[in-house]
Amino acid sequence: KAGVTQTPRYLIKTRGQQVTLSCSPISGHRSVSWYQQTPGQGLQFLFEYFSETQRNKGNFPGRFSGRQFSNSRSEMNVSTLELGDSALYLCASSLDPGRGTEAFFGQGTRLTVV
Amino acid sequence: AQKVTQAQTEISVVEKEDVTLDCVYETRDTTYYLFWYKQPPSGELVFLIRRNSFDEQNEISGRYSWNFQKSTSSFNFTITASQVVDSAVYFCALSELSGGGSNYKLTFGKGTLLTVNP
Repeated sequence: KAGVTQTPRYLIKTRGQQVTLSCSPISGHRSVSWYQQTPGQGLQFLFEYFSETQRNKGNFPGRFSGRQFSNSRSEMNVSTLELGDSALYLCASSLDPGRGTEAFFGQGTRLTVV
Repeated sequence: AQKVTQAQTEISVVEKEDVTLDCVYETRDTTYYLFWYKQPPSGELVFLIRRNSFDEQNEISGRYSWNFQKSTSSFNFTITASQVVDSAVYFCALSELSGGGSNYKLTFGKGTLLTVNP
């Protein structure tokens, strides 16, 4: 069974640009969550999608958005990039979050904003 | 206030030593789940264990063991006879299921960097 796949693995962008990150969950998993990891703030929750609906959102500005498609694949978009957006972005998929099932993570996309 | 506290930022041990990673959590929910993840240098978070709030049984898996105590809101992780390959950042996480699961998210501690020296 394939794991969670995130693309691309590395990105370098310039301030003011926008970026789209992609996540393919484990087959059969309908929940996809996104997390930002930085040395200063650690792992922070961005949002969670379930069956194409955003169910929960963390404390991030509106520049951070996402969506989920009918095949459960998810994309995350960050507009008007700032230097502080440089981070490792991790995607996680889960079978049934309502039952506390474990989340499986991808290898992440390392975004560098210059 | 932090919901998940991992007071140990870094731990360094010599191979074959036992090491315990501490995790203290805070929640008002009666139903919640606790997790431990390992993050090697490659960056991917690797799931290690899940424990629900109604199951206080300790668990052992090979060299790994977990001690869950609701009375002290702790979920500690012990590695017995540590090996160099155990070197990684270890995260404790909490999932609160208020709202029937519609507010699902993982709240992570800051992590503990474990270095096992040969």
